[in-house]
Amino acid sequence: EAQVTQNPRYLITVTGKKLTVTCSQNMNHEYMSWYRQDPGLGLRQIYYSMNVEVTDKGDVPEGYKVSRKEKRNFPLILESPSPNQTSLYFCASSPTGVASPLHFGNGTRLTVT
Amino acid sequence: AQSVTQPDIHITVSEGASLELRCNYSYGATPYLFWYVQSPGQGLQLLLKYFSGDTLVQGIKGFEAEFKRSQSSFNLRKPSVHWSDAAEYFCVENGGSQGNLIFGKGTKLSVKP
Repeated sequence: EAQVTQNPRYLITVTGKKLTVTCSQNMNHEYMSWYRQDPGLGLRQIYYSMNVEVTDKGDVPEGYKVSRKEKRNFPLILESPSPNQTSLYFCASSPTGVASPLHFGNGTRLTVT
Repeated sequence: AQSVTQPDIHITVSEGASLELRCNYSYGATPYLFWYVQSPGQGLQLLLKYFSGDTLVQGIKGFEAEFKRSQSSFNLRKPSVHWSDAAEYFCVENGGSQGNLIFGKGTKLSVKP
């Protein structure tokens, strides 16, 4: 089944403890991106990647890192999480970029205490 | 900075009534425009998109949207709403940057029986 898989679905952590949220797609898509969703703010793009080894900042990249070493994986790294990064995170992919429909993962709900 | 405005945070319509969700974009030239829908607890699904050409675009589930450059608008419409349309709707813009997407804050649709 074609899908975007995020792990974990739920994560509770403490301030400053490094964490990684994984994202994997099995559709050979070139484009992948990360978003955070907060009540009343909609979705905001954190980072995106047009292809392997190519990543760019979205609108809210501060406090996040990404890597794209292989086409299928696009992990989101929080080196030193803070409470203001408590949010619902979505990974998405598409065949060639924003002109193609995005396929979204089921989301990761992160709580930082 | 680019922005997408969805003026209505929450709309309630009766089942069978018509629907119009408003969206205003900011990009000066012709942007790529999208409408996505998010059902409760789910990821997002593309309803329709506009790149160029015919200003009235048809999407899935009976939705359509009209691009109006003079008003910088891309409103979503449906002639007869079904209870299963209850969800949150996001207008999205790509304004020139190859991979950057700007989401509106969303409009939550409730459907009365």
